[in-house]
This record gives sequence, structure tokens and C-alpha cells, in this order.
Amino acid sequence: DAGVTQSPTHLIKTRGQQVTLRCSPKSGHDTVSWYQQALGQGPQFIFQYYEEEERQRGNFPDRFSGHQFPNYSSELNVNALLLGDSALYLCASSRPTRGYRTQYFGPGTRLLVL
Amino acid sequence: QKEVEQNSGPLSVPEGAIASLNCTYSDRVSQSFFWYRQYSGKSPELIMSIYSNGDKEDGRFTAQLNKASQYVSLLIRDSQPSDSATYLCAVNKGGADGLTFGKGTHLIIQP
Repeated sequence: DAGVTQSPTHLIKTRGQQVTLRCSPKSGHDTVSWYQQALGQGPQFIFQYYEEEERQRGNFPDRFSGHQFPNYSSELNVNALLLGDSALYLCASSRPTRGYRTQYFGPGTRLLVL
Repeated sequence: QKEVEQNSGPLSVPEGAIASLNCTYSDRVSQSFFWYRQYSGKSPELIMSIYSNGDKEDGRFTAQLNKASQYVSLLIRDSQPSDSATYLCAVNKGGADGLTFGKGTHLIIQP
């Protein structure tokens, strides 16, 4: 049973550029959430996708956008990159189990903005 | 007041002892509570989930939840050097909500 996968593992961009990160959820999972984790901090919720729509969004500017495909995979797009966008970007997938959802994380994409 | 608070540590515990990690949360409507372990340079790995008041045990790990006090804890029995990691406490209000994390507690198990 494959876990959550993310690509690429590492990425280096310059300020002002745009980046797309990709995520495939665990088999049987229908919901994908994205998080940003800065060094020494806990992950911060960016947004969650379910049935190809953004269901909830955290406190992130609209430079951060996403998409979910019919096969439940997802993309995170960040436009006009800032130095402060350098972080580990985590994707987590989940499915409802007895009314609750447990999120499982992928290995992450480490983004460095120069 | 931060939504989820943890002591950042480091918390140093001798090998074989019990490690006790604590977390408080501010939102009373929180329904689900999770502990994740994160090794340096890696992604968070689920250790325990707990949804109702009381204790939940899984192997060497016990999660404790007290909704009246808005407090959740994780006990690690017979601590091993491989338990050395950052432990993240996370809460959410319901299935449709993203997780809110604390900053994590850095745990060091001394051989």
C-alpha cells in the first residue's frame, strides 16, 4: 500500500518566480491538505481539497493556490515567490473513518527561494 | 494566547524512563487530537490519535485527553534513543478542518 508521495523532493527558485508542487494521496484517501513548515516551527495549514474543490483555507495569501484532480492527486502553486516562502511543504491525505479524519503526511518538498 | 501550546524543550529523559509530553489548546470546539513524531529533516509521522476523554494506549505510547482542562498529553514508556525526535501536538475542530499544530517539543533520550 503506497503512502502519500510528493514531488519534487527539493527545489531551488529565485524571488518572483512561480513553483508547482505535486502530491498523490494514499490509496483510498479522497482529501488532500497542504501545510507549510518553516524551520523550528510546527506545520501551518494552507488549504484542503475535497471533491476537486478548496474546502477550507488557512491564513495564506492568494499567491498560494491549488488544484485537485479527479484521481484525488493535488497540486500546490505559489506565485511571485518571496524569500519567506522558503520552507518544507507538506501534503497530507485523509479519508473519513467513523466520522473522523486522520491525516497522513508525505515526505515533503523542501523549497529554497534565493 | 496561541491556539496550541507545547513546551519547546529540549526535554531530556534517561533511557528506559517515562517521557511525558504536554500540550494545551485554546479552542473548546476541538474534537480530534493527534501526536506526530518528526525526526530532523523528515516529515511528521502519526503516533497517536485520541477523540474522547481518558487514556488511549498503543504499545509503549499512551495518549491522555482532558477536554474540560483543554489538555492532551503523550507518555512514552521504556524510552529508547530512537524516540529522540520532535513531537508535534495537533488538533482540529472536525473532519473538514485543517490541523492546528503546536511548535513541537524536542525530546532527547540519553543512553
